[in-house]
Amino acid sequence: NAGVTQTPKFQVLKTGQSMTLQCAQDMNHEYMSWYRQDPGMGLRLIHYSVGAGITDQGEVPNGYNVSRSTTEDFPLRLLSAAPSQTSVYFCASSREQGMGSYGYTFGSGTRLTVV
Amino acid sequence: DQQVKQNSPSLSVQEGRISILNCDYTNSMFDYFLWYKKYPAEGPTFLISISSIKDKNEDGRFTVFLNKSAKHLSLHIVPSQPGDSAVYFCAASVDTNAGKSTFGDGTTLTVKP
Repeated sequence: NAGVTQTPKFQVLKTGQSMTLQCAQDMNHEYMSWYRQDPGMGLRLIHYSVGAGITDQGEVPNGYNVSRSTTEDFPLRLLSAAPSQTSVYFCASSREQGMGSYGYTFGSGTRLTVV
Repeated sequence: DQQVKQNSPSLSVQEGRISILNCDYTNSMFDYFLWYKKYPAEGPTFLISISSIKDKNEDGRFTVFLNKSAKHLSLHIVPSQPGDSAVYFCAASVDTNAGKSTFGDGTTLTVKP
């Protein structure tokens, strides 16, 4: 049981480059979310999805795009990387029913550095 | 405006003693409150949760207390073990919008042998 798989684990980008962070889950969870964690701070929600074909913005969506074509996959696209996007990115999934009780299952994170 | 606050960035306790981690929130619409534990270079893992209709939930060594009138919750770990050393995040969500959890900044717990 793989849970939530994020790739790559590490990435260095130059300012202005674009890339896609991959996220896949094998638990048939309806909800998927992307968070970023900056040093000394909590997790801030970038985008989330409540099911295939449905996405919405979180707290810090600017500079990022998402799509949800299947239940399993929820890629995060950086359109034009900026140094302010240097962070650790976490993908998470949860079941629809009882999410408040069971919480998220998180991936192990992608550490992104923009130079 | 930060809706979930963990005012203590760090806490150090002796092995075998009680660890108490605190969390305050401002949004009275939150239905569920959750604690996550995070080791370095790993993603957070869900630890324990409590519904807003309860004031206590217990799971083994971990107990979460909720004081709705004070908009305050706490996580008690008894007895504390060195393996509990990690960053603990408090999170809150509104059940009708469960895809959006709001996290505090975390408290780093160090349990000394």
